[in-house]
Amino acid sequence: NAGVMQNPRHLVRRRGQEARLRCSPMKGHSHVYWYRQLPEEGLKFMVYLQKENIIDESGMPKERFSAEFPKEGPSILRIQQVVRGDSAAYFCASSPPRAGGYSGELFFGEGSRLTVL
Amino acid sequence: AQSVTQLGSHVSVSEGALVLLRCNYSSSVPPYLFWYVQYPNQGLQLLLKYTSAATLVKGINGFEAEFKKSETSFHLTKPSAHMSDAAEYFCAVSEAGTALIFGKGTTLSVSS
Repeated sequence: NAGVMQNPRHLVRRRGQEARLRCSPMKGHSHVYWYRQLPEEGLKFMVYLQKENIIDESGMPKERFSAEFPKEGPSILRIQQVVRGDSAAYFCASSPPRAGGYSGELFFGEGSRLTVL
Repeated sequence: AQSVTQLGSHVSVSEGALVLLRCNYSSSVPPYLFWYVQYPNQGLQLLLKYTSAATLVKGINGFEAEFKKSETSFHLTKPSAHMSDAAEYFCAVSEAGTALIFGKGTTLSVSS
């Protein structure tokens, strides 16, 4: 049973370009979460999605960042017009449907490391 | 709003010594509490979780944590450190239906 798959694992972009990060949740999982990790700052919550719905985007920057989780295909985190401060590791996590009770446990991918030159 | 504070960004122990990583939380409702471990260039792996059952929770690799409501703490311990325990450890809190909120992490170093 494959885990959470993220790609690309490493991405280099120049300032002003666009970055697209993809996440395929574990089989049977319908909830996806994106987190950003900067050195010495831990993981910062960005957005929580279900299929075709954004449930909580309270951690998303107001500009240049967007996320989607379409009916078919992976979840996408899109960063437009990247700046050096966007350089970070971006982690995706998934969880199963809530039916039967809430456990809160998230299953993480290995992350996508974005470097902006 | 929920939050997590991990006391000590770096902890160093000798192999065979007790490991104690501290975590205090803030939550307006009974929380769900977690410890995750991250090895270099990898994702996070669940060590253990507290979900309102027993207050002493046992996890993988010999780790355990105790939920103390009066102290709003969920400290992680291991009786005897091993070299392979060197990693970054994250405490996290959530309330039902919300995303996990993580602490800033504690890097554990183990010397021989």
